[in-house]
Amino acid sequence: AQTVTQSQPEMSVQEAETVTLSCTYDTSENNYYLFWYKQPPSRQMILVIRQEAYKQQNATENRFSVNFQKAAKSFSLKISDSQLGDTAMYFCASNRDDKIIFGKGTRLHILP
Amino acid sequence: DAGVIQSPRHEVTEMGQEVTLRCKPISGHDYLFWYRQTMMRGLELLIYFNNNVPIDDSGMPEDRFSAKMPNASFSTLKIQPSEPRDSAVYFCASSFGEGTEAFFGQGTRLTVV
Repeated sequence: AQTVTQSQPEMSVQEAETVTLSCTYDTSENNYYLFWYKQPPSRQMILVIRQEAYKQQNATENRFSVNFQKAAKSFSLKISDSQLGDTAMYFCASNRDDKIIFGKGTRLHILP
Repeated sequence: DAGVIQSPRHEVTEMGQEVTLRCKPISGHDYLFWYRQTMMRGLELLIYFNNNVPIDDSGMPEDRFSAKMPNASFSTLKIQPSEPRDSAVYFCASSFGEGTEAFFGQGTRLTVV
């Protein structure tokens, strides 16, 4: 079975700080894809970053980067220079055989 | 493209009534997903379709839930009869498959009283 675990239900950091959100997953496949989504209070689900498991290089998108540890089945999201607009729920997800499974999310508060 | 379109945005219904949620995926996407979001359980995958065919409905909670995709541009999720514990936000999403990301609609907030 495909599972995604986010062990931090809620986090708070000061504006401009760096924060890391944790995610672990369980799959027996070699080829799969991992994602981080952001859900602001508007409820819209927004893709933040995508990682292909066969690529060793960690994905980056501006202030967002991942630490992908394939052997440990870990996929953490780092947000640098955090901004008030980063306040949201963050979901980790995996895509194997086209089935996209999400973790339960981490609620992130950026404090002014 | 207007993105994934869901209707209605909000639905309030009485226990025992039938509820139908609607979704129009992004044109050209082969995969369509229905998710349910609650505080306790997060985002649960209910069912997904590939080329209008249901592939995996193992997440559908009970026989009261059913989903159809009669054509590539329309899908419904029906709950009959509805119960208060069905109250949640229901999302529809679509993708090209093969490792691509899912694009989500705005969701339908369902309240069963």
